[in-house]
Amino acid sequence: QVQLVQSGVEVKKPGASVKVSCKASGYTFTTYGISWVRQAPGQGLEWMGWISTQTGNTNYAQKLQGRVTMTTDTSTSTAYMELRSLRSDDTAVYYCARSTSWGGSYYSDCWGQGSLVTVSS
Amino acid sequence: QSVLTQPPSASGTPGQRVTISCSGSSSNIGSNTVNWYQQLPGTAPKLLIYSNNQRPSGVPDRLSGSKSGTSASLAISGLQSEDEADYYCAAWDDSLNGEVFGGGTKLTVL
Repeated sequence: QVQLVQSGVEVKKPGASVKVSCKASGYTFTTYGISWVRQAPGQGLEWMGWISTQTGNTNYAQKLQGRVTMTTDTSTSTAYMELRSLRSDDTAVYYCARSTSWGGSYYSDCWGQGSLVTVSS
Repeated sequence: QSVLTQPPSASGTPGQRVTISCSGSSSNIGSNTVNWYQQLPGTAPKLLIYSNNQRPSGVPDRLSGSKSGTSASLAISGLQSEDEADYYCAAWDDSLNGEVFGGGTKLTVL
């Protein structure tokens, strides 16, 4: 079955970086994009960006430009999200999701289990 | 402050029909399709409706989505206790060049 399995809990100090992985299985990795969405404690969902697994092209949320990098390794069907210069308000559960984008339609039909990143001194 | 506007809460009794609204603008709902996600406590979001009114396989037909202009809604009929969850609408925003979400609606089954 289609599955996205993410890396585990991370605890980081302010100013550090974190890299979360997302390993896909059960489908051809390069036929869908990968989105990253985060959710701060008790808050709603926030889209971080998207990467094409075919071309490596990326589209990042404006507020994260310059701090986030999304990459993929097609040989292992794994996507990565690196966030730098961490602040306390980056504390959140980070989700990867398999995404489809065509015309005016964009949706994510399979999600990873989430990776908790805590930023604290 | 979310780009898409949802009521923070909704409720209904078992068997009832409830609707959740989602309001946006011409740059998002007005020009792109709307999706709905369900999030049970402590779990990842699950796609319920995509492209305004399409259900992924496995989603029961008592859930339906609609869109008109810059607004959309999710309807749940035959409400069940397992429907108690947070619901989020989402759409692509052409001005922000990214996906935007509503703030979420917490559905309580009384």
